[in-house]
Amino acid sequence: DVKVTQSSRYLVKRTGEKVFLECVQDMDHENMFWYRQDPGLGLRLIYFSYDVKMKEKGDIPEGYSVSREKKERFSLILESASTNQTSMYLCASSPSPLYGYTFGSGTRLTVV
Amino acid sequence: AQKITQTQPGMFVQEKEAVTLDCTYDTSDPSYGLFWYKQPSSGEMIFLIYQGSYDQQNATEGRYSLNFQKARKSANLVISASQLGDSAMYFCATPRGANNLFFGTGTRLTVIP
Repeated sequence: DVKVTQSSRYLVKRTGEKVFLECVQDMDHENMFWYRQDPGLGLRLIYFSYDVKMKEKGDIPEGYSVSREKKERFSLILESASTNQTSMYLCASSPSPLYGYTFGSGTRLTVV
Repeated sequence: AQKITQTQPGMFVQEKEAVTLDCTYDTSDPSYGLFWYKQPSSGEMIFLIYQGSYDQQNATEGRYSLNFQKARKSANLVISASQLGDSAMYFCATPRGANNLFFGTGTRLTVIP
């Protein structure tokens, strides 16, 4: 079974901190994704990557950056965390979105 | 551009009854698919069922089935014989080109004993 692992289930950070959310997948998928989930807004795409060192902005990239130095790892970076980035963050991987995704268990980030 | 609409923020169903969760879509792709995911309170998104636009029959997976009406652009999820463990958020999604999935806003289903 494909496994997508997010390093933290719960995270509390202070405003202005640099935050790293890590995601690792073990099935050699080319594509990896970061979404944030907020009540009433569903899942919104932040960034995605279709290959090592390649990245594309999603619908809400402002305030975020990403890094994909190795195929199995896709990191989401909050350069200077703000309270409006308090949310659930979901990582996913896929051989192709046409086949759907496998998701990690999510990281609930609270910025205080 | 792709669009997914889930008009039911919350739904209640009695245990052992069937329930239908609505999803309408709009896409410019001539060939497309519809996915349904379940998200229990633990947070992980679980794939439930997939319907391809050219599939002749409605998809079924155990107690889950899709009521796919292409002319109406709807792909409603039907859960038969609801169980307490079905209480969760449910999301409908469709591919946005070959790049990523576009998700609806979700429906929270509560199964009442």
